[in-house]
Amino acid sequence: EDQVTQSPEALRLQEGESSSLNCSYTVSGLRGLFWYRQDPGKGPEFLFTLYSAGEEKEKERLKATLTKKESFLHITAPKPEDSATYLCAVQGAGGTSYGKLTFGQGTILTVHP
Amino acid sequence: NAGVTQTPKFRVLKTGQSMTLLCAQDMNHEYMYWYRQDPGMGLRLIHYSVGEGTTAKGEVPDGYNVSRLKKQNFLLGLESAAPSQTSVYFCASSYVNEQYFGPGTRLTVT
Repeated sequence: EDQVTQSPEALRLQEGESSSLNCSYTVSGLRGLFWYRQDPGKGPEFLFTLYSAGEEKEKERLKATLTKKESFLHITAPKPEDSATYLCAVQGAGGTSYGKLTFGQGTILTVHP
Repeated sequence: NAGVTQTPKFRVLKTGQSMTLLCAQDMNHEYMYWYRQDPGMGLRLIHYSVGEGTTAKGEVPDGYNVSRLKKQNFLLGLESAAPSQTSVYFCASSYVNEQYFGPGTRLTVT
C-alpha cells in the first residue's frame, strides 16, 4: 500500500526566512510525485509533478526536489502570501492506471511579516 | 475557462436525507474523481471515473454512489446521509496525471 508522510505538521517562518518541507513516501513503482497548495476554504491547487529521482522543478520562490525515498519543497525568502497548507501526493505504478493519488496530511505553513 | 466547478458550496442535511453533489469540468478531461477531506485524515478517494459511462470504487466508497452520464459531469449521491459523512467534498479531473480540483462542498449532517 502506498504511503505518504509529511513533516513538519506545521511550520512558522518569518518573512524572508528560507526553509524546507519534507515528504517521505513508499510506493510500488513511482509514476509521479505531486505537490499541491491549499488555501483555507479552497480546493488544492496544482504546483509540481516530479517523475524521477534527481529531478527538480521551480516556480517563483518554490523549488521541489525528488529522491528515491522523499521529496523536499524548498521555500526561498518566503512572503506572507506563501502561507497555506502544502500537500504531497504519490501515484504508484502498481494496479490500475487510472491515476490514483495517495495524499499526505499536509504541512501548514505560516509566514509572518 | 471555469476549470472544475462544484455545486452546492454548502449544505446541511438531517440524518437519513439524500442529496446529490454536482461536479462539472470544461477541460475535456477523461478522468474525474470525488474525494473527501477530514481533519487528520487527509484527502481520501471515494469514487472515480475513467470516462463517460464508467465509474469505480475508491478507498472509501461505502454510503456513496456516483454517475457519469456526460463526459463533463460527475455526480456524487448520498442516499441516506449519516453524521459520519460530515466532511468537505472535492471533485477533481485529469487528462493523464495532474489532477485539478474544484472549490469544494462543505456538507454537515446533523
